[in-house]
Amino acid sequence: EVQVVESGGGLVKPGGSLRLSCAASGFTFTNYWMHWVRQAPGKGLLWVARVDNAGSGTSYADSVKGRFTISRDNDKNTVYLQMNSLRVEDTAVYYCGTVFEMWGQGTMVTVSS
Amino acid sequence: QAGLTQPPSMSKGLGQTATLTCTGNSNNVGNQGAAWLQQHQGHPPKVLSSRDNRRPSGISERFFASRSGNTASLTITGLQPEDEADYCCSAWDSSLNGVVFGGGTKLTVL
Repeated sequence: EVQVVESGGGLVKPGGSLRLSCAASGFTFTNYWMHWVRQAPGKGLLWVARVDNAGSGTSYADSVKGRFTISRDNDKNTVYLQMNSLRVEDTAVYYCGTVFEMWGQGTMVTVSS
Repeated sequence: QAGLTQPPSMSKGLGQTATLTCTGNSNNVGNQGAAWLQQHQGHPPKVLSSRDNRRPSGISERFFASRSGNTASLTITGLQPEDEADYCCSAWDSSLNGVVFGGGTKLTVL
């Protein structure tokens, strides 16, 4: 059974940091690019970042470039999103997945003082 | 980043057919294809159709995806109450080097 499980969300103050994790199972992890996508309350889906199969190629949305870092550990079938200099507007449910095939359940990140 | 264009809402009767559209350009839908997602309120997105218009295992045959040029379409036949949801398209954009989404179409089944 395919499973994508995000963790690490929570409440953080503006300017703070948070590291999200995404554990994948039930499919050949190294066959896929992995992505983080977020959805602010009541809003649509917004792509955040992606990492290629090997973990050597990454790209980011302009809104998070320089603040967020995506990485993966293929030995652990896990993807990470390191989020620094968080802003109130980063508040959203963060989803991990391949986007075009599989999605996780999401983890909520709230940035508030 | 520029997204894909979808009508914001659509209403159809029970048992009818709905065709949702998603318009992009040659950098995304036209050359990369589009995937379709269904999202019920408070739930994560579910993939109804991948970029090559194939349905994942477990997705009803009532959902049919196609593409013509820069426009992707999702046709839902025999509408059921559980089809009432938001439908969003997604595509890889080779010029942005990222994924673009449509704003979503809220489908109401009357």
